[in-house]
Amino acid sequence: QQQVKQSPQSLIVQKGGISIINCAYENTAFDYFPWYQQFPGKGPALLIAIRPDVSEKKEGRFTISFNKSAKQFSLHIMDSQPGDSATYFCAASRYTDKLIFGTGTRLQVFP
Amino acid sequence: DTGVSQDPRHKITKRGQNVTFRCDPISEHNRLYWYRQTLGQGPEFLTYFQNEAQLEKSRLLSDRFSAERPKGSFSTLEIQRTEQGDSAMYLCASSLGALEAGQFFGPGTRLTVL
Repeated sequence: QQQVKQSPQSLIVQKGGISIINCAYENTAFDYFPWYQQFPGKGPALLIAIRPDVSEKKEGRFTISFNKSAKQFSLHIMDSQPGDSATYFCAASRYTDKLIFGTGTRLQVFP
Repeated sequence: DTGVSQDPRHKITKRGQNVTFRCDPISEHNRLYWYRQTLGQGPEFLTYFQNEAQLEKSRLLSDRFSAERPKGSFSTLEIQRTEQGDSAMYLCASSLGALEAGQFFGPGTRLTVL
């Protein structure tokens, strides 16, 4: 049973545009929601994370929006750059438990 | 470099052979996790340790898989009698064990079973 659903599967954005990736979760016990960035052949790198007691968190060009009632959260990448081209994974966990990952979104940013 | 390290980075083996992977976590991180990632998918949890104690194993983990963290520092993941379906990237992550500390991943070990 997939507990974290991620969309879209792939995304093409022009340089300077906004990239938006969405995730939905089922388990209301989840209380930690990170986003990871992965380049080919590398391990996932932690980008930004949020807890359900806040609705938004911003770090540089990356923003997480969180909707607890809808059980959804999203990643916004402002001013997208070609160097942002990678696969992005949302994840969820309960306290410091194992991470449950989404299926990933392949982002391509064209100049 | 103080990040998570994994060895080897690549392993090619024949079906039926045993393989062992090593993970060195970030020092002072008391939690260590193993995940498996197949092409086009997100990482799937396998098992994790708090210090030397193995706290949880995924139901996906068959009896051919075993993991240890003998002194609460590095960890090994062994796969016995490998099968072609074991071909994947095996990822190790570590964390401080606090909620917002985050899990930090190593570069992974790419296993190919012929």
